[in-house]
Order: sequence, then structure tokens, then C-alpha cells
Amino acid sequence: NAGVTQTPKFQVLKTGQSMTLQCAQDMNHEYMSWYRQDPGMGLRLIHYSVGAGITDQGEVPNGYNVSRSTTEDFPLRLLSAAPSQTSVYFCASRRTGTGYNSPLHFGNGTRLTVT
Amino acid sequence: GENVEQHPSTLSVQEGDSAVIKCTYSDSASNYFPWYKQELGKRPQLIIDIRSNVGEKKDQRIAVTLNKTAKHFSLHITETQPEDSAVYFCAASETTDSWGKFQFGAGTQVVVTP
Repeated sequence: NAGVTQTPKFQVLKTGQSMTLQCAQDMNHEYMSWYRQDPGMGLRLIHYSVGAGITDQGEVPNGYNVSRSTTEDFPLRLLSAAPSQTSVYFCASRRTGTGYNSPLHFGNGTRLTVT
Repeated sequence: GENVEQHPSTLSVQEGDSAVIKCTYSDSASNYFPWYKQELGKRPQLIIDIRSNVGEKKDQRIAVTLNKTAKHFSLHITETQPEDSAVYFCAASETTDSWGKFQFGAGTQVVVTP
């Protein structure tokens, strides 16, 4: 299994531009999520999904959209990039089920710079 | 919602010494506590986890303890080696249902000096 695959690895945007960060997993995980990582602030949840067609907001959702049309894919869209969105973005997935504890599996990250 | 505090933010230890990182959580419903290690430029990777029905878990040089009453859990690394240098994150989650979200601590930068 490839696990969680993110593309691109690096991206530079100008303020106001839009783009989509791609995330795919081949582990048949129902739960997928997006985090951003900023120095000294740990990992903050942007959006998450517990299955195809179901998404919800995390801690810092403003400026980002998501959709979940398939179990495998969970893209993150920046509609109008701002310098405050400069960060490292991680996609993560895990198994779910009542009473089942399971860890998050992370992708390799996307380093985004907005100028 | 859940809030996780992690201390210290940086930890410098001599090779061979022990390192301890502590986390506290606020939501008494949290029942799963993983620890992640992140090397520079890499993704976070799970190193150990503990469930709320267990007080301590060990895996070679790494151990985690959980005090549910006090709502805190700790990571212990013994006989530290230079390759233990990394950022470590604790997390707490209530995973009884499929909506369980993970709340991460701010991270601890561990530096092991030879």
C-alpha cells in the first residue's frame, strides 16, 4: 500500500490565486482530514470527513473548502490564497468504527507559500 | 471541545539520559492518546499510543503513562540517542464514534547531544 499520498510537495502562490491540494489513500479508511502546521502551534484541524459525501469543519476552516466524492480522495481547495495561509499542510486518515481506537496516518505534506 | 497542553516546548538532553514530555487534556471523554515523532521535513509518525483502560505501556526505550483522574499523560524515553532528536506531539481523541477528532499538543523539540 502507498498509504496517504499528497500532491504537490511544494507550491508557491500569489495572493488571490486559487489551487487544490490533492490527497489520496489506499487503505480504505473512512476518516480523512486536513491539518495545517505552523511553528509553535502544533497541528490544527482544518476540515475532516467520515465518509463519502460527509464533511465537517475543524478548528481553522476559514478560507478552505473540501469535498469527499469517493472514499479514496479528499482534496483541499484554497479559493483565494492569503499570506496567512502560508503553512505546511498534512492530510491524514484512519480507520473508524464504534469503539475502535486507531491512529492517524499522515501524508508527506505540502509546503505552501503565499506571496 | 478538547484542549491539549504539552510541556516543555523544548528539551535538551545528553545522550544516554532520559527525556520526559508531559501533556494534559481537558475532555474527560477522551479515550485514546497517541504520540507522534516528526523529524525535520518529514511527516508525523506514530511511535506509541495508549487507551484509557490502560495506565502504562512500554515499547523498548519508549513508555507512556496515563493518569485519567488528573487528565495527564506522559512520554518517557530512556537511554536517549542522537536519532531521538525530533519534534514530539501528543494527541487526545474521543474515538467511541466515527466522528472522533484528534486534538494535538503544540509539540516538544527534543535535542539529544552526544
